[in-house]
Amino acid sequence: SQQGEEDPQALSIQEGENATMNCSYKTSINNLQWYRQNSGRGLVHLILIRSNEREKHSGRLRVTLDTSKKSSSLLITASRAADTASYFCATASGGSYIPTFGRGTSLIVHP
Amino acid sequence: DAGITQSPRYKITETGRQVTLMCHQTWSHSYMFWYRQDLGHGLRLIYYSAAADITDKGEVPDGYVVSRSKTENFPLTLESATRSQTSVYFCASNAGTGDEKLFFGSGTQLSVL
Repeated sequence: SQQGEEDPQALSIQEGENATMNCSYKTSINNLQWYRQNSGRGLVHLILIRSNEREKHSGRLRVTLDTSKKSSSLLITASRAADTASYFCATASGGSYIPTFGRGTSLIVHP
Repeated sequence: DAGITQSPRYKITETGRQVTLMCHQTWSHSYMFWYRQDLGHGLRLIYYSAAADITDKGEVPDGYVVSRSKTENFPLTLESATRSQTSVYFCASNAGTGDEKLFFGSGTQLSVL
C-alpha cells in the first residue's frame, strides 16, 4: 500500500511560474525522497531529505519536510518546458530503508 | 552511460507462458529492486535483494520469482504469465543503508495477451 500520496495528481502551469507539489504520509519516516520520471523513461532521483532535516535545496528545487504534519513539499522555481514530467515522493519507514512510492504528480509546463 | 540496464525493452507474451526480465548493474550495488508501475497505483515493490543469494518479498510478490546468484544480476521471472501482470517493470539498485538513493533502469514494458 502507498505510504506517500502526492497532491495534486496533475498540475499545469506556464513556463517561468513556480510549481509546488505536496506529499503526505502516514507513519514516521527515516527519510523522504523525490524522483522525476519523463515519459517512457525510468525514475531519476532528485533530492533525499532525512527525518531530522527541515529543508534542502538543489538548483531550482526546494524540498521541505514537516514531520509534525507528516508532509513534504517540492518546489520547482522558474519552471521550464523541460520540467514536464511526473514527480514521485518515496518514503522509508521503521527499520526499513526501502522506499515506498506514491502515485505521483503529473506536471505539464507550457512554453 | 549504462549503469543499470534492463532487457528486453518491450515484450509481448501469452497467458500461461514463462517470461524472464533481465536486470544488470555495473556499480556493485548491494541492493537491487523490482517495481511494477501501473496507472492509478504508482510504483509497487515486487521483490528486493540485499546481496547475492538474499532476496525478500515486497508488496506484490505473487506470481513472480527472483534469483540473485551474482551481485550484478537480478532477473525477474513470471512463472505463468497472467493478463494482470501486464505492466511496466522497473529494476533499481542502491548501495544500501546510508545511501538510499535509487538508480533506475529504463524499464520493460510487458504485455500479456
